[in-house]
Amino acid sequence: QVTLKESGPALVKPTQTLTLTCTFSGFSLSTSGKRVSWIRQPPGKALEWLARIDWNDDKFYSTSLKTRLTISKDTSKNQVVLTMTDMDPVDTATYYCAHFTGTGFDYWGQGTLVTVSS
Amino acid sequence: QSALTQPASVSGSPGQSITISCTGTSSDVGSYDLVSWYQQHPGKAPKLMIYEGSKRPSGVSNRFSGSKSGNTASLTISGLQAEDEADYYCCSYAGSSTWVFGGGTKLTVL
Repeated sequence: QVTLKESGPALVKPTQTLTLTCTFSGFSLSTSGKRVSWIRQPPGKALEWLARIDWNDDKFYSTSLKTRLTISKDTSKNQVVLTMTDMDPVDTATYYCAHFTGTGFDYWGQGTLVTVSS
Repeated sequence: QSALTQPASVSGSPGQSITISCTGTSSDVGSYDLVSWYQQHPGKAPKLMIYEGSKRPSGVSNRFSGSKSGNTASLTISGLQAEDEADYYCCSYAGSSTWVFGGGTKLTVL
């Protein structure tokens, strides 16, 4: 059974760096073909794909946010970490991590709401 | 990449069929058979309903179907039920290993 859960601060100040952790079970990111993505959703708005990391440590980023994002994995802990620099109030959103099959996001975490405010 | 275009809202009565469109460009929807659809109930995480344009994951009702014509993908829900009321999002591969979502459509079951 695949499960994912996001964790991180609920509140960050403008200009700070956000660090989110996705802890998962039911698969290993050392297994060929496994991938995890981060997706966010501002309150009342649409989903936005942010980044992806693959079993072979390949990393991919949203074109519009790539300068601010870093994704990494700790295979031994079954964790994926996303950092986003220079946070702004417009980055207020629920951040989800999801297992990615290669053609769809089939398992999602419950999401974690991050508010950016001074 | 720009978000895919979806109608803000659609509605239908129980038992009816509805279709939600998802319009992209020749750089995303039109170039790949890699459109997926997600159902999201309020306060919940999205759920994968359709992948690779028309394939259903195990456990998803066959009332849900997907198709594509040119730069527009579509999700059709037949035999509408009250529990289908939710937000629906399309998603497409956009090249260079990036993915783009649609703006979302609120489905109301009258």
